[in-house]
Amino acid sequence: NAGVTQTPKFRILKIGQSMTLQCTQDMNHNYMYWYRQDPGMGLKLIYYSVGAGITDKGEVPNGYNVSRSTTEDFPLRLELAAPSQTSVYFCASTHTLRSNQPQHFGDGTRLSIL
Amino acid sequence: AQSVTQLGSHVSVSEGALVLLRCNYSSSVPPYLFWYVQYPNQGLQLLLKYTSAATLVKGINGFEAEFKKSETSFHLTKPSAHMSDAAEYFCAANFGNEKLTFGTGTRLTIIP
Repeated sequence: NAGVTQTPKFRILKIGQSMTLQCTQDMNHNYMYWYRQDPGMGLKLIYYSVGAGITDKGEVPNGYNVSRSTTEDFPLRLELAAPSQTSVYFCASTHTLRSNQPQHFGDGTRLSIL
Repeated sequence: AQSVTQLGSHVSVSEGALVLLRCNYSSSVPPYLFWYVQYPNQGLQLLLKYTSAATLVKGINGFEAEFKKSETSFHLTKPSAHMSDAAEYFCAANFGNEKLTFGTGTRLTIIP
């Protein structure tokens, strides 16, 4: 089983460039999440989705956009890259969070903005 | 406010010694609780989860955690540390909505 797949694994961007981080899951999960991980800060939620066509902001949504046109895919868009967006980005999914069902994580995208 | 606190951003133990990683939550109602492990350059993997069926939960790789409602704690332990346990460990809680709240993580170093 592939689980949660993120692409690319690494990327270097110049300030002001845009890009899309891809995330797809093959577990038919309703809930999907985007986190960023900075050293010593744990994981901060950027955006999440409870199903196709439904998205909502997390703790740190500024500078990002998402869409959820299918159950499987949940891309994260950076429109104008800034150095503060240098981070490791993780996508996760789960069937439901109103229980003890865990989130399943991808391997991450390491993004540097120079 | 509902939160998860991990005491100690770095913990070092000798190989073969007891591992104890601390996690406390702040909530009037006990949440669903999880421990995740992150190896270098990888995503997070589930170690164990609290199901309310038992206060002592066993997970993978010999880890276990005990839920103590009176102390609002869910500390992670392993009787004998192995070199392969070196990683970052995250405690997380679901407080009854669609999101997980993570602690800031504890980096575990094993001393040969």
